[in-house]
Amino acid sequence: NAGVTQTPKFQVLKTGQSMTLQCAQDMNHNSMYWYRQDPGMGLRLIYYSASEGTTDKGEVPNGYNVSRLNKREFSLRLESAAPSQTSVYFCASSEYYGRTEEETQYFGPGTRLLVL
Amino acid sequence: SQQGEEDPQALSIQEGENATMNCSYKTSINNLQWYRQNSGRGLVHLILIRSNEREKHSGRLRVTLDTSKKSSSLLITASRAADTASYFCATAALSNFGNEKLTFGTGTRLTIIP
Repeated sequence: NAGVTQTPKFQVLKTGQSMTLQCAQDMNHNSMYWYRQDPGMGLRLIYYSASEGTTDKGEVPNGYNVSRLNKREFSLRLESAAPSQTSVYFCASSEYYGRTEEETQYFGPGTRLLVL
Repeated sequence: SQQGEEDPQALSIQEGENATMNCSYKTSINNLQWYRQNSGRGLVHLILIRSNEREKHSGRLRVTLDTSKKSSSLLITASRAADTASYFCATAALSNFGNEKLTFGTGTRLTIIP
């Protein structure tokens, strides 16, 4: 199993450009997440998808959109990139246990984004 | 704002010594988890402690949880160079959809000196 994969690994954008970060998992997990990691800020949740067909905002959703394409794939789109979106982006997934929810998240290797 | 705040922000110890990191949080939780992040990599889950547990062990890891003080500690015994990484606590609370949503702290950067 590849686990959680992300593409691209690194990207440089100019202010105003758009791009989509791709994420896929092969663990048959129901829930998927997008985080950004900035120095001194830890990980902050951008959006998540509890199950296929649902998405919800996290802590810092402004400037981003997401699509849960199917159970495996969850993409993050920057419509008009800004320098403040320079960060490392991580995708994660977890299994949905229902009411007993005790689950861990599995992370991808990250995408390093630089917006000039 | 961050739910979990780790202390210290950075820690350097000699190989073989024990390393202790602390995490404080603000609201009620279902469980608390610790993750490790090696430089340039994604996070890897280490251990989970439930809100009704006080202590848990996994190999060289020992985690304690004090819900009255809203704090947790991670102890790594007999440290090794390979333990050099950043360590994050994450608190789990129910989301609107019924699964758990994790909120991560800012991390402790641990350096093991050979």
